Amino acid sequence: EPEVTQTPSHQVTQMGQEVILRCVPISNHLYFYWYRQILGQKVEFLVSFYNNEISEKSEIFDDQFSVERPDGSNFTLKIRSTKLEDSAMYFCASSESPQGGEQYFGPGTRLTVT
Amino acid sequence: KNQVEQSPQSLIILEGKNCTLQCNYTVSPFSNLRWYKQDTGRGPVSLTIMTFSENTKSNGRYTATLDADTKQSSLHITASQLSDSASYICVVTPYGNNRLAFGKGNQVVVIP
Repeated sequence: EPEVTQTPSHQVTQMGQEVILRCVPISNHLYFYWYRQILGQKVEFLVSFYNNEISEKSEIFDDQFSVERPDGSNFTLKIRSTKLEDSAMYFCASSESPQGGEQYFGPGTRLTVT
Repeated sequence: KNQVEQSPQSLIILEGKNCTLQCNYTVSPFSNLRWYKQDTGRGPVSLTIMTFSENTKSNGRYTATLDADTKQSSLHITASQLSDSASYICVVTPYGNNRLAFGKGNQVVVIP
């Protein structure tokens, strides 16, 4: 069964450093998403992406964040200058269709900023 | 602001017993309501998805109900198994966008 994959599973970085989180969505999906979950908190929407551009983004997704689909398979989330409060689990998801389409989540990348 | 509230926050149940988890939401209008299962350290996995016109959906031992008038949903787990230990998350999709609104989850622990 096709699945969303994410790398790395755990990333430790120092405050102020740039990090890139990688995702490989399900191959025939066209809509891609990033979410984050701070430890003990609920999952929060960050951004959705379709047709090589951002469809929607939340208030969390400020200028420190960017997303890219550098090739036909990868979808990345970049944090330019990490802060302690960026420490969280980051989930990538993909779906065949928007709105009502089933979103399939990856296993997540645990980002720890020290 | 869209809100999804779940109760109880956590519960412990004996293997083989049933349990019901509650979700109240204020998202309106909405496209669909989903229940996800999230194992510790893993991504959420979809259990059920219901549109506003549906009021029940089953997936094996999981049965979800939806009352769009009172903006309440429940997830019933029948004959619980140890592998049901997880967080169960209620997620509402607002009509017109993809910004899923997540509840904090019901943490279920099944003990032998």
